[in-house]
Amino acid sequence: GAVVSQHPSRVICKSGTSVKIECRSLDFQATTMFWYRQFPKKSLMLMATSNEGSKATYEQGVEKDKFLINHASLTLSTLTVTSAHPEDSSFYICSARVLAGDLNTGELFFGEGSRLTVL
Amino acid sequence: GDSVTQMEGPVTLSEEAFLTINCTYTATGYPSLFWYVQYPGEGLQLLLKATKADDKGSNKGFEATYRKETTSFHLEKGSVQVSDSAVYFCALRGIIQGAQKLVFGQGTRLTINP
Repeated sequence: GAVVSQHPSRVICKSGTSVKIECRSLDFQATTMFWYRQFPKKSLMLMATSNEGSKATYEQGVEKDKFLINHASLTLSTLTVTSAHPEDSSFYICSARVLAGDLNTGELFFGEGSRLTVL
Repeated sequence: GDSVTQMEGPVTLSEEAFLTINCTYTATGYPSLFWYVQYPGEGLQLLLKATKADDKGSNKGFEATYRKETTSFHLEKGSVQVSDSAVYFCALRGIIQGAQKLVFGQGTRLTINP
């Protein structure tokens, strides 16, 4: 299947700094990418939907100024956690949808996730 | 809104045991239903899916049937292996055109002992 790669897989940073996580679709073009946050022993929570060339759509309760999303090309979306704090420590996962004529059947592929630890 | 509830884990079984992980959903209309698997250190992978009522998804010996009457999509496997140890997520995708959002259950950690 299609490959989605995230980088870095693990990052540790000091409180107050900003961290950028990249999500790349390696062998396909993705008009839409999704960013999830996974809490320990809990489900994946959708944070935002990222569309190439336009502003991301954030889910209710997600601070768009805190979690900056950029989708500059059909193969790259970035999530920047600004002024990170310990409560931002989490596992962040991106997914990308393969371009398909029928939007409702385009399969989603997931990255391996990025674990952020804020000290 | 749409939601997915799945069996709480962790689940621990012996090799060759029968597996069932329950999943029920709440959604408007007829969503598509999925099971994803997350092996240690890896990203989520689609295990199987069903897009309409009474469809049966199957892959790698796993099966799940889309039951509209009970709003369920339980995952089953007749004989599990140690390599099946992973976290399993049930998910649905709603019918709103262009939404393309996946709603996940909380995940069930499965451990298979030799």
